[in-house]
Amino acid sequence: KQEVTQIPAALSVPEGENLVLNCSFTDSAIYNLQWFRQDPGKGLTSLLLIQSSQREQTSGRLNASLDKSSGRSTLYIAASQPGDSATYLCAASYNTDKLIFGTGTRLQVFP
Amino acid sequence: EPEVTQTPSHQVTQMGQEVILRCVPISNHLYFYWYRQILGQKVEFLVSFYNNEISEKSEIFDDQFSVERPDGSNFTLKIRSTKLEDSAMYFCASSELGGAPYNEQFFGPGTRLTVL
Repeated sequence: KQEVTQIPAALSVPEGENLVLNCSFTDSAIYNLQWFRQDPGKGLTSLLLIQSSQREQTSGRLNASLDKSSGRSTLYIAASQPGDSATYLCAASYNTDKLIFGTGTRLQVFP
Repeated sequence: EPEVTQTPSHQVTQMGQEVILRCVPISNHLYFYWYRQILGQKVEFLVSFYNNEISEKSEIFDDQFSVERPDGSNFTLKIRSTKLEDSAMYFCASSELGGAPYNEQFFGPGTRLTVL
């Protein structure tokens, strides 16, 4: 069964820290992996999409990597800010239309 | 920047009633999706839609659910006879391209459905 997990479930860090969020998937035949941000009671904002042929993608202070062989993706956030506080979700796509989501990491960045 | 919009933001209904959730996908997108998130749980795929047909659906998407693109801009999810367990946040998404690995999906803000 294709499953996606995220560890840790919650993370609290002081402002300015660099941090790494982890996403693991059971089936390495992944086609792409998408990272989202979800603010409380709100929708999902797409942050980065990494295709299976790519190893990483960067957008501003965010860098996402994909290692198919180990079944892992990481989202690196540089110089964290209180405005980064949100839940971060990863979602895997295989040879179908659907995204398979992880349970998310709830991030709090305090001043 | 173009975005997916959804109405209403919150819908309260009685068990057994029909509800229609509405979405306006990004204008040049051709692939449309519905997902749901029960409080405290993962986001789950319901259905994908392309060229006026369902292209994929999950086991959750049973005969109580239907989707429709009634005109050139709207995409709707209908639940015929709501159950308590249908209470969730429902997200609409769209993508310009279909099929992985190119189908980056963009999500709307969601409709919170509460079934009493």
